[in-house]
Amino acid sequence: GESVGLHLPTLSVQEGDNSIINCAYSNSASDYFIWYKQESGKGPQFIIDIRSNMDKRQGQRVTVLLNKTVKHLSLQIAATQPGDSAVYFCADTFEAAGNKLTFGGGTRVLVKP
Amino acid sequence: KAGVTQTPRYLIKTRGQQVTLSCSPISGHRSVSWYQQTPGQGLQFLFEYFSETQRNKGNFPGRFSGRQFSNSRSEMNVSTLELGDSALYLCASSLDGRPNTEAFFGQGTRLTVV
Repeated sequence: GESVGLHLPTLSVQEGDNSIINCAYSNSASDYFIWYKQESGKGPQFIIDIRSNMDKRQGQRVTVLLNKTVKHLSLQIAATQPGDSAVYFCADTFEAAGNKLTFGGGTRVLVKP
Repeated sequence: KAGVTQTPRYLIKTRGQQVTLSCSPISGHRSVSWYQQTPGQGLQFLFEYFSETQRNKGNFPGRFSGRQFSNSRSEMNVSTLELGDSALYLCASSLDGRPNTEAFFGQGTRLTVV
């Protein structure tokens, strides 16, 4: 991901609506991408991952889309719930980097009841 | 199974002091990575240890160091603390540290330097 410094984008979404969170990455060699969710006072929690040989992967209520051409990643959350309120980070890495993850700056999701 | 445990959870230190943070990975996990999280810089990679060897290092000054023990527990040390070192320090463990294996994060240690 690309760090965006102090500015943390915020996405306000109505409960029950779908959410789309976007992320840009800069390393064209990256071949593994992960989305994390971080709630207040907790460490990041794995949501879903995708390898570079795929362009879409679905989980439970979540879908990750990967566009390698423009180095863009998105996370779609279906039927957003209050428990989805958190900061979401994308991260990328590549084989030779081992477990070194490069994180994006994060997006705060606020779910309105 | 128990998750990643980081101790202490909170710490207040004075400029110039040194600090040691501890991370106990999930049982069976051999890779431990450390990250610094600040509002200004976000999440930044510090270093990764695998089988007691530092395998990767981020762009932090030499004041930041770490080590891993034979039981995979890891410690990181920051010497000559600066105000800018105030941050949440996160540890992540994974089975073998390969990119396609999930990394599990601890709750972090909140370090405040005054």
